[in-house]
Formats: sequence, structure tokens, C-alpha cells
Amino acid sequence: LAKTTQPISMDSYEGQEVNITCSHNNIATNDYITWYQQFPSQGPRFIIQGYKTKVTNEVASLFIPADRKSSTLSLPRVSLSDTAVYYCLVVRSGGYQKVTFGTGTKLQVIP
Amino acid sequence: DSGVTQTPKHLITATGQRVTLRCSPRSGDLSVYWYQQSLDQGLQFLIQYYNGEERAKGNILERFSAQQFPDLHSELNLSSLELGDSALYFCASSVANGPEATEAFFGQGTRLTVV
Repeated sequence: LAKTTQPISMDSYEGQEVNITCSHNNIATNDYITWYQQFPSQGPRFIIQGYKTKVTNEVASLFIPADRKSSTLSLPRVSLSDTAVYYCLVVRSGGYQKVTFGTGTKLQVIP
Repeated sequence: DSGVTQTPKHLITATGQRVTLRCSPRSGDLSVYWYQQSLDQGLQFLIQYYNGEERAKGNILERFSAQQFPDLHSELNLSSLELGDSALYFCASSVANGPEATEAFFGQGTRLTVV
């Protein structure tokens, strides 16, 4: 599976839009880009998944350029409760075989 | 609530001992995954079972083993425990039977402390 690279940490003020970029240069045709959120001592929680272009749900947007070698998770108007670790994953069609979460991006929202 | 249940939530045991962690997947999910998360680390994939059969293996130690039972619940057995095995162990489940990648649902984890 393609390796992902994302910033180790980010700070943002409450109410701002946060964009976290992830690179996955070796992504394959049947891979999906998937983002998870994890709070301390809790299991990761699915945020959003996409294949190409733009995907939006009630909590986030995911932007994927045509070459799919990178993606950007956008969190609109963050609040203190969005302070968490965000993981970018490349998931092969059909399941999470051998998917490993890296260290993710630690987002700290400041009041 | 993800629908994935892990027991126990906390476990403290001594070095050299053996423990069993249990996971009940979401209703209808055939795949179960086990992950280990050490302090301030990402989640490391250990092993996956699909409908009772081992499907994929990650960096799982030989001292660790797992199985998935006919009712689809899974157990992770850790033996000859060492201090370095102290970690959060997560179980996740997914449907994983379609052409499109699916969401994995994680339990709340079992925090294992080896003393």
C-alpha cells in the first residue's frame, strides 16, 4: 500500500478553516484516500473517504487533484473539540488489509 | 458508539503472563482487524480475520496469536508478556465484501499494562 506523509502537528484558532495536506505518491488505481480522527485513549473514527475530485460531508471536505498523489482534508470553522490526531490513509478496495496508521497530524485548536 | 465491543477495557498483568483480549464486531461485519498503539505512536496493524479465516498479517510477534470464531467474535492472545507489550490494543471491523473500500469501525480499545 502507498505510504502517506502528512505534517506532524498544526495549530489553529477557533473558528478558522483548517487544511491538512497528505502526500501519497505511489497510490494505486484501486486505492481510496481515507481520513480518520482520534481523540486520546479512544479508537479512531472515520471522517471521510474519496477517490478523486472533491467529496463533502457534514463534518469535512476532501480535495483530491487529478493525479491523486496528494489530498487535502478541510475542516471548516474548527472548535476546541476538534483538537485530535488526524490520520491520512490509503485503503485498497475491498478492505483494510495491512493498512497501518502512521503518527498522523496532531491538530491543536486554540481559543 | 461504533458498535464494536472490546473487553476488558483495562488489564494489568505481570511480565511472563498470558492474556486474552476479546472483540465483538458490528453486526454483519465479517472482517476483524487488530491494532497495537504504543504511547504516542500510530496504530500498527497486527492481523486481520475475514469470516473465520486469517486474511492478512502485519508485524505481529510470534508470542501473539488471534482467532475468529463462528459467531465472528475474535480474540487476541498475548503470551510471555514483556514490559514493551504495554499498549492500547484496538479491534476494528468492516464489511469488506464489496468492490469499494469500506469504513472500519473501531472499538474503544483495551489498555494493557505489563508490570
